[in-house]
Amino acid sequence: EAGVAQSPRYKIIEKRQSVAFWCNPISGHATLYWYQQILGQGPKLLIQFQNNGVVDDSQLPKDRFSAERLKGVDSTLKIQPAKLEDSAVYLCASSIMTDTQYFGPGTRLTVL
Amino acid sequence: QKEVEQDPGPLSVPEGAIVSLNCTYSNSAFQYFMWYRQYSRKGPELLMYTYSSGNKEDGRFTAQVDKSSKYISLFIRDSQPSDSATYLCAMSDSAGGFKTIFGAGTRLFVKA
Repeated sequence: EAGVAQSPRYKIIEKRQSVAFWCNPISGHATLYWYQQILGQGPKLLIQFQNNGVVDDSQLPKDRFSAERLKGVDSTLKIQPAKLEDSAVYLCASSIMTDTQYFGPGTRLTVL
Repeated sequence: QKEVEQDPGPLSVPEGAIVSLNCTYSNSAFQYFMWYRQYSRKGPELLMYTYSSGNKEDGRFTAQVDKSSKYISLFIRDSQPSDSATYLCAMSDSAGGFKTIFGAGTRLFVKA
């Protein structure tokens, strides 16, 4: 069974630029999560989708971050404009419903 | 006060030692308790999943939950160099879509 795929693996941008991350969850998984993991910290949930709908986006900085999940499968997370404090690893995870989460390898973002 | 507290370490032990990793939490509504292992530059992978109080054993790993003390532990017996990783505790409640809160992670080094 293929795991959660994410791209790109690494990204370096200047502050105020925009960036987008892509996630392909495990086939058949209805729930998709985006987490932000700052160095030395645990993952923090940014947004949770169930199929096409948003379940929780309470910690998503909506003035600069946006996410969508078209057709209930792939998802993209966008940051526009980026700030220095956005430097982190962005993890995508998926689960069948709200049970065991399977994580992708993450995208390491550096904002200069 | 953070909802989940975890000593970041690092913790260094010799091969074959018994390792004890711990987390405390403040939200009495948490009912689902997880331990994830995260290797460098990888996403977290689920090690142990426990519902409510009690013990659960899986091979060299034992998870304990004491809800009265709001304290969870992970024990690793006969530790191996391949166990060197960051261990994240995580927990969630039964409401609000099972939002998962992660600890900061403990870095473990097992020396051969």
